[in-house]
Amino acid sequence: AQTVTQSQPEMSVQEAETVTLSCTYDTSESNYYLFWYKQPPSRQMILVIRQEAYKQQNATENRFSVNFQKAAKSFSLKISDSQLGDTAMYFCAFISRVYNFNKFYFGSGTKLNVKP
Amino acid sequence: DVKVTQSSRYLVKRTGEKVFLECVQDMDHENMFWYRQDPGLGLRLIYFSYDVKMKEKGDIPEGYSVSREKKERFSLILESASTNQTSMYLCASSPDRVGNTIYFGEGSWLTVV
Repeated sequence: AQTVTQSQPEMSVQEAETVTLSCTYDTSESNYYLFWYKQPPSRQMILVIRQEAYKQQNATENRFSVNFQKAAKSFSLKISDSQLGDTAMYFCAFISRVYNFNKFYFGSGTKLNVKP
Repeated sequence: DVKVTQSSRYLVKRTGEKVFLECVQDMDHENMFWYRQDPGLGLRLIYFSYDVKMKEKGDIPEGYSVSREKKERFSLILESASTNQTSMYLCASSPDRVGNTIYFGEGSWLTVV
């Protein structure tokens, strides 16, 4: 069974500092995709960053980067120079190909609060 | 930009009422999804559809049904609303290509009293 675990329900960080959100997953597949999504208080979920499992290089998008450890099945998100606008729920997600269509699995989320 | 539109942001319904939640996407995506979001539980998949008139049960389909008569529209139906269905409902769509991301609507807050 595919599972995604986010062990930190809530975190806080001071503005301009760096924070890391943890995510572990379980799968028997060898090729898959991982995502981090952000859900601000306005509630629309948006994609933050995407990682392909067969790529060893960690994905980076501006202030957001991941630490992808395939053997450990770990996929953490690092936010550098945190901004007030980063305050949101963050969801880790895993995509699996099931009977020729994509199925997404989400973690339970981490609520990040960026303090001024 | 991809747009996924949920027709109602906030609804209050009475126990036993039939509830329709509508979702429309404008990017010709094959796959559409309905999730339920509750604190501490994350997103749980209710139903998904990979083609017109096709549907598959997700992890928590009990008490729900869906309809996909047109490719761009995916409706969630609560046949007889109950208080334990009070929740945030998220619609999403995705192209049917390996590794493609999923796009979400703004969500519908449903309160059943």
